[in-house]
Amino acid sequence: DVKVTQSSRYLVKRTGEKVFLECVQDMDHENMFWYRQDPGLGLRLIYFSYDVKMKEKGDIPEGYSVSREKKERFSLILESASTNQTSMYLCATYSWPLEAFFGQGTRLTVV
Amino acid sequence: DQQVKQNSPSLSVQEGRISILNCDYTNSMFDYFLWYKKYPAEGPTFLISISSIKDKNEDGRFTVFLNKSAKHLSLHIVPSQPGDSAVYFCAASEDNQGGKLIFGQGTELSVKP
Repeated sequence: DVKVTQSSRYLVKRTGEKVFLECVQDMDHENMFWYRQDPGLGLRLIYFSYDVKMKEKGDIPEGYSVSREKKERFSLILESASTNQTSMYLCATYSWPLEAFFGQGTRLTVV
Repeated sequence: DQQVKQNSPSLSVQEGRISILNCDYTNSMFDYFLWYKKYPAEGPTFLISISSIKDKNEDGRFTVFLNKSAKHLSLHIVPSQPGDSAVYFCAASEDNQGGKLIFGQGTELSVKP
């Protein structure tokens, strides 16, 4: 059973803080993805990675960075949190054929 | 520019009737399409998929139809059950993009008992 675990379900951070969202998968997959979900906008891809130390920008990378030091762990970093980054963040990994396994999500509120 | 569009933000259906969720796309290079279901406070879960070489795929109460010429796909749920109430996302991918999925905005389905 694929398990994708996100470290926090709910987070409240202040504007300007550096925020780390952690994601761990136990399926030995090479690929990992970070999305954010906003009402009316669906899931939008922020960053993804196909290998350790490798990262690719998604559709909305501005204001974010990522870290992939180990295969099972993919971290999303908000360098200086802003209120427009209040959202639901979802981490995912895929089996073929593109059956995505998502974490439970992190609801981030920036005040 | 939204490459995958779900133009209905919400849909309400009576239990036992058919639910039809629609999705349109603009990128003719997409060749794999998926539907995901999401309950509040949970991550999306995979529901059903279809390759562009097919026009229909069925799995129990769920059927996905693909009309490539119209760049349109739909998800049919028959019969609808209250437990089907959730947000449904369609997603699409190009074969050479290595798993990068483009999602629609989602449609919230409410099945009334």
